[in-house]
Amino acid sequence: EPEVTQTPSHQVTQMGQEVILRCVPISNHLYFYWYRQILGQKVEFLVSFYNNEISEKSEIFDDQFSVERPDGSNFTLKIRSTKLEDSAMYFCASREDSSTSYEQYFGPGTRLTVT
Amino acid sequence: GQNIDQPTEMTATEGAIVQINCTYQTSGFNGLFWYQQHAGEAPTFLSYNVLDGLEEKGRFSSFLSRSKGYSYLLLKELQMKDSASYLCAVRDKGNAGNMLTFGGGTRLMVKP
Repeated sequence: EPEVTQTPSHQVTQMGQEVILRCVPISNHLYFYWYRQILGQKVEFLVSFYNNEISEKSEIFDDQFSVERPDGSNFTLKIRSTKLEDSAMYFCASREDSSTSYEQYFGPGTRLTVT
Repeated sequence: GQNIDQPTEMTATEGAIVQINCTYQTSGFNGLFWYQQHAGEAPTFLSYNVLDGLEEKGRFSSFLSRSKGYSYLLLKELQMKDSASYLCAVRDKGNAGNMLTFGGGTRLMVKP
């Protein structure tokens, strides 16, 4: 069964450093998402991406964040200058372009620890 | 904005039935999802309701009442592996990206 993959599974970085989290969505999917989940808290939407551009973003997704689809398979989230409060699990999700199926498939997540 | 409420924790016995409720107040509505999340893992899709009524899928069923802003997830014949968090999420009407807004999740503990 096709699945969303994410690398790395765990990233440790120092405050102020840049990090890039990588995702490979399911191959025929056209909508891509990043969510984050701070330990013990709820899953929060960051950004959605469709047709090579951001379609929505939350208040969390400020100028420190950016997303890119550099080729036909990868979808990345970049945090330019990490802060302690960016420590969280980051989930990538994707869904197909369908008017009947809205299920988002989540990847296993990248645990980001900012020290 | 969106406000999604669900109980923080529930406990049930193996083999029993449990109902997890979710209420929402949203500026728009275009469907409600239930996801299961085991500790340290990604959410996995359980169900999607956009019209009123009951959707059944094996041991799991989900109900929606749009007029009441209410949904529940029903788990039958509970198994130990059903111990997990259950997340209610609403898809807002009209947003192009179909972002999901999640509730805080209900942690279900199944006891022998």
